[in-house]
Amino acid sequence: EAQVTQNPRYLITVTGKKLTVTCSQNMNHEYMSWYRQDPGLGLRQIYYSMNVEVTDKGDVPEGYKVSRKEKRNFPLILESPSPNQTSLYFCASSSGERTQYFGPGTRLLVL
Amino acid sequence: AQTVTQSQPEMSVQEAETVTLSCTYDTSENNYYLFWYKQPPSRQMILVIRQEAYKQQNATENRFSVNFQKAAKSFSLKISDSQLGDTAMYFCAFMSSNYQLIWGAGTKLIIKP
Repeated sequence: EAQVTQNPRYLITVTGKKLTVTCSQNMNHEYMSWYRQDPGLGLRQIYYSMNVEVTDKGDVPEGYKVSRKEKRNFPLILESPSPNQTSLYFCASSSGERTQYFGPGTRLLVL
Repeated sequence: AQTVTQSQPEMSVQEAETVTLSCTYDTSENNYYLFWYKQPPSRQMILVIRQEAYKQQNATENRFSVNFQKAAKSFSLKISDSQLGDTAMYFCAFMSSNYQLIWGAGTKLIIKP
């Protein structure tokens, strides 16, 4: 089944404790992206990657890192999480036909 | 900068009725893509329908259709024979020559039994 997977789906952590949210797609898509969704603010792009070893900042990159060492994986790293990074996170991927397919989301709570 | 506006924060209709959700956008580009995504209570983001700007014909997917007015920069979604499972947030999104999606604020749609 063609899909985008994210892990973990739910995470509670404490301020300053490094964490990684994994994202993997099995559709051989070149493009991958991370978004966060907050009430009243819609979806905002954090980082995106047009292909392996190519990443770029979106609208809200501060406090986040990404890497794209393999085509299928695009992990999101929070080196030192803070409470304002409490949010719902989505990973998405897309081929040349432009439609973005989303993972199930990761709910993150930073205490 | 491109923007997407959804002017209806919330709508509710009776089951089996037809409902139209509005979306307008602003761009100076000629080639772009438009999407409607649905987000049910599970929070999963699901593609409903897409439209390429170069295509004059309005896209349809079963009970879902769009009214794409390129000159007016309008992209409304019509849901026919609405069902309880259509209850969700609906987001309009714009994609220009790069792959970045610009999102509207969303419309909460409630289908009443």
